[in-house]
Amino acid sequence: NAGVTQTPKFQVLKTGQSMTLQCAQDMNHEYMSWYRQDPGMGLRLIHYSVGAGITDQGEVPNGYNVSRSTTEDFPLRLLSAAPSQTSVYFCASRAGTVNSPLHFGNGTRLTVT
Amino acid sequence: QQQVKQSPQSLIVQKGGISIINCAYENTAFDYFPWYQQFPGKGPALLIAIRPDVSEKKEGRFTISFNKSAKQFSLHIMDSQPGDSATYFCAASRGGGFKTIFGAGTRLFVKA
Repeated sequence: NAGVTQTPKFQVLKTGQSMTLQCAQDMNHEYMSWYRQDPGMGLRLIHYSVGAGITDQGEVPNGYNVSRSTTEDFPLRLLSAAPSQTSVYFCASRAGTVNSPLHFGNGTRLTVT
Repeated sequence: QQQVKQSPQSLIVQKGGISIINCAYENTAFDYFPWYQQFPGKGPALLIAIRPDVSEKKEGRFTISFNKSAKQFSLHIMDSQPGDSATYFCAASRGGGFKTIFGAGTRLFVKA
């Protein structure tokens, strides 16, 4: 099973450029989320979705947009990249049952110059 | 403002020793406390989890101790092995776990 697949694995952007980080899961999970990982800050929740058509903000949503048109996909959009968005981004999914574990992808390392 | 505070930031333990990582939280509405393990280049994976109605949970060499009154919980790794070298995150969530909040992480290195 592929689990949670993130693309690309690495990306370099210039300030002001836009891009979309892709996330797909094949486990039919209702819940999907995006985290960013920075040294000393742990994993911080950006946006999450509890099902197709439903999204909500996490701890650090500014500068990021999401949409959930299908159960499988949950893309993260950076409309105008800033150096502060240099980070490792992780997508995660989980089943809808209470307290089921998060399944993470292997991350996208983004550098904004 | 971090809702879940984790310490230490890094930890070096001899093979066979006990690794202890501590976490504290403020929000008493949290009702589920998982620990995740992350190896370099990989995403985190669930290691062990506890609910606040029990004070301890053990799975193999890994034990969570939970102190509800102090709003603290800790991970103990007994007989630590070099293969345990990884980053460990404590986390907390409420109401079914849809918003899981993570601590800052602890980098554990087990010396052979």
